[in-house]
Amino acid sequence: AQSVAQPEDQVNVAEGNPLTVKCTYSVSGNPYLFWYVQYPNRGLQFLLKYITGDNLVKGSYGFEAEFNKSQTSFHLKKPSALVSDSALYFCAVRRASGTYKYIFGTGTRLKVLA
Amino acid sequence: GAVVSQHPSWVICKSGTSVKIECRSLDFQATTMFWYRQFPKQSLMLMATSNEGSKATYEQGVEKDKFLINHASLTLSTLTVTSAHPEDSSFYICSAREEEVKDTQYFGPGTRLTVL
Repeated sequence: AQSVAQPEDQVNVAEGNPLTVKCTYSVSGNPYLFWYVQYPNRGLQFLLKYITGDNLVKGSYGFEAEFNKSQTSFHLKKPSALVSDSALYFCAVRRASGTYKYIFGTGTRLKVLA
Repeated sequence: GAVVSQHPSWVICKSGTSVKIECRSLDFQATTMFWYRQFPKQSLMLMATSNEGSKATYEQGVEKDKFLINHASLTLSTLTVTSAHPEDSSFYICSAREEEVKDTQYFGPGTRLTVL
C-alpha cells in the first residue's frame, strides 16, 4: 500500500534560518513525489515535484527538495526562511505507473518567527 | 498557466437542499479531475476521480448517490451534494490533472460548504 508520513505536525524556525520539512514515503515501484503549500482557507499551491533525473529538485519561492531513494525520503528545504513562508505544507506521492491518484501526508504547519 | 477555479468559494445552505460546486481548468484541458474533502486541521481525503465523458470513480466509503459528479467537458467538472446535512459541512477542493506537464495536479482554491 502507498503511504506518506510527515512526522512533524509543526515546525518553528526563525526568519533567516534554514528550514526543513520532513517527508517519507512508501510506494511500490518508482515514485512521483510532490510538495504543495496551503494558506488559510485556500486550495493547494504546487511547489515542486520529483519525477526522474536529478535528485535535487528546485521549485517555487526558493524551495527545494532532495529525493533520497535509500531512505525513501523527500524533505523540503529552504536556505533562508521568510515570515511569509508560514503555512501548511503537504507532501504527496503517486506511483509512476497505474493510478493517477495522489496519497497525501497529514501536513506540517510551518511557523516562521520574526 | 495551469489555473484551476472553483465556484462558489463559499456557500451556506439549509439542511435537505442540494448544492452544486463547479471546478474549471482555465488554461488547459483536463480529462481527469479529482474531488477532495478536507476537515479542519486535517489532510485531504480523496472522494472521487472524475473522468471526462464517463462515470466517476468513487473511493471506498463515499456515497455516489449523495455526491454526484459530472465531467461533461475537458475543462469542467461539477460536484453536487444532494440532500445536504450538517455533517456534509466541509472544505471541498478539486484538482485537475495536466497531462502535458508530467502528471501534475493543479488545485482549485476550494469551496467552504456550511449546512445549517
